[in-house]
Amino acid sequence: DGGITQSPKYLFRKEGQNVTLSCEQNLNHDAMYWYRQDPGQGLRLIYYSQIVNDFQKGDIAEGYSVSREKKESFPLTVTSAQKNPTAFYLCASRSSLNYGYTFGSGTRLTVV
Amino acid sequence: AQSVTQLDSHVSVSEGTPVLLRCNYSSSYSPSLFWYVQHPNKGLQLLLKYTSAATLVKGINGFEAEFKKSETSFHLTKPSAHMSDAAEYFCVVPRERNAGNMLTFGGGTRLMVKP
Repeated sequence: DGGITQSPKYLFRKEGQNVTLSCEQNLNHDAMYWYRQDPGQGLRLIYYSQIVNDFQKGDIAEGYSVSREKKESFPLTVTSAQKNPTAFYLCASRSSLNYGYTFGSGTRLTVV
Repeated sequence: AQSVTQLDSHVSVSEGTPVLLRCNYSSSYSPSLFWYVQHPNKGLQLLLKYTSAATLVKGINGFEAEFKKSETSFHLTKPSAHMSDAAEYFCVVPRERNAGNMLTFGGGTRLMVKP
């Protein structure tokens, strides 16, 4: 079955460390997105990519970085510059045919 | 710019009673609108979408929503709540026609269903 896989499901990070969240899709979607979810705030866009080797900052890109070397993969790195990284992170991809979005199951990142 | 406001952060109903989750939108044109559901620690699943065809949209799991332009609303309803409906619901609108097809999310409404 086609879908989006995010890993790991839970991630713990020490302050000052960078961590990378994985997002892989086998839907052949061109566009991919990273959202951050905090209680009561809905989802906020971190970065998005509409095509391989290209990506754009979203609303809250500071302290994050991404790459898009392959169509299937859009990893997100949470750097030590991100002041409040504890959150639930969701990856999504979008079909260029029907514009439908597919979401992954998320990664819960906790800074300890 | 397009935006959505979910009027209730929490809604509690008894099993078997109707569900109403409210969403108002702001848009310079007639937008597409979506409702997504998220179960705990899961991704988002599309419940239904409005794309300027019929104003009453039927979705999965017995949910439906009515687009009312005069009221700028897109409320989500279900005649009879089930325990499995307990989740968080998001009203969503695409930002602008050519803004990378990014989405703007409402703040979410947490639906609790009592036995």
